[in-house]
Amino acid sequence: DAKTTQPPSMDCAEGRAANLPCNHSTISGNEYVYWYRQIHSQGPQYIIHGLKNNETNEMASLIITEDRKSSTLILPHATLRDTAVYYCIVRVSGYGGSQGNLIFGKGTKLSVKP
Amino acid sequence: DGGITQSPKYLFRKEGQNVTLSCEQNLNHDAMYWYRQDPGQGLRLIYYSQIVNDFQKGDIAEGYSVSREKKESFPLTVTSAQKNPTAFYLCASSFGTHQETQYFGPGTRLLVL
Repeated sequence: DAKTTQPPSMDCAEGRAANLPCNHSTISGNEYVYWYRQIHSQGPQYIIHGLKNNETNEMASLIITEDRKSSTLILPHATLRDTAVYYCIVRVSGYGGSQGNLIFGKGTKLSVKP
Repeated sequence: DGGITQSPKYLFRKEGQNVTLSCEQNLNHDAMYWYRQDPGQGLRLIYYSQIVNDFQKGDIAEGYSVSREKKESFPLTVTSAQKNPTAFYLCASSFGTHQETQYFGPGTRLLVL
């Protein structure tokens, strides 16, 4: 089972910031938070990941609360092409077995509207 | 261009037939993965391989088989034992399996006739 909780859907106006929340209250100290997105009928696309510090790249920013029990993905200026399902994933740590593998839940369907 | 390719984009299977989905990567990644996605659902892990000539079952391996004879290639066979094979199949790769980012191919949609 996924270790994260996300709202099933959100809307955002084009050009505005999209803030996508994720709860991961049982996260362990050495587990990372990953965000992927999946545009309809395509493979998932990596967006960003972090451990405890806030992170920013050319696609988005990731804000992780101090207690690490929740995080927010921010798309600063959403466009119509950002319409997709966004997955928040807590990465189980460690080598070997299935510990390194991603566990995808149902994600948040973000609809960017003109 | 570097990346992961999957072929074909669409595949049709007759009842009782085995079919093989191709996955190739030129990213020099050690680890490769196969996921299955059903409509409105997240991804579920079928098999993964951390190194050539080695692979491990994921959460839903029954009815599937894989091979990893080359670093670049990780084909998935959907056997006749898989009773509900209609789904979107996604291949991914990463440098390793410890926290490394996984990169996904475009997917193959398998339909049963």
